[in-house]
Amino acid sequence: DTAVSQTPKYLVTQMGNDKSIKCEQNLGHDTMYWYKQDSKKFLKIMFSYNNKELIINETVPNRFSPKSPDKAHLNLHINSLELGDSAVYFCASSQFQNQPQHFGDGTRLSIL
Amino acid sequence: GENVEQHPSTLSVQEGDSAVIKCTYSDSASNYFPWYKQELGKGPQLIIDIRSNVGEKKDQRIAVTLNKTAKHFSLHITETQPEDSAVYFCAATFGRAGSYQLTFGKGTKLSVIP
Repeated sequence: DTAVSQTPKYLVTQMGNDKSIKCEQNLGHDTMYWYKQDSKKFLKIMFSYNNKELIINETVPNRFSPKSPDKAHLNLHINSLELGDSAVYFCASSQFQNQPQHFGDGTRLSIL
Repeated sequence: GENVEQHPSTLSVQEGDSAVIKCTYSDSASNYFPWYKQELGKGPQLIIDIRSNVGEKKDQRIAVTLNKTAKHFSLHITETQPEDSAVYFCAATFGRAGSYQLTFGKGTKLSVIP
């Protein structure tokens, strides 16, 4: 069983569209995260949720909106996609903050 | 905020040799230091971690050392194998209880030559 699963794996879309990425973890963890990895492989935190509550919201355009329907799911919705949004987005989870994080295999977002 | 510097950015070693990757961090309050391995098309996978109350930790061919005074930590891989080829990331915690976050180094691409 995959511990942290993201869908879709690839997302190709036009500038200006709205898209969502879904994440689910079956580890029973309380904390979930979204990271962005750019073309140079740099990994940067975007959001962190603890038991469905937002605890970290880095400097991210408000076109990005995370939603956590329950503690096993953290989805990322992106409005009005821009060329600069092209990246790989990773979901991760940990038992609590400051504990080992487990990553999904990423969603590669390409904006045409 | 926290700053994590990682060196080298690329590293090539012969199979069987050792590989060392070094990181420095800026926040003296950082207390958790994981290392991740990322293979092509996959997410980062935790390979070893260390907390600030420990100076060294070993797991088979992988070891991590931490020097809190100098604010640097290192990953050591011995008897390298071709399957060790990947991008390795160090990370350090930043923030305080209730809002910890990881700051990552920029990665080291390790190539193990058979």
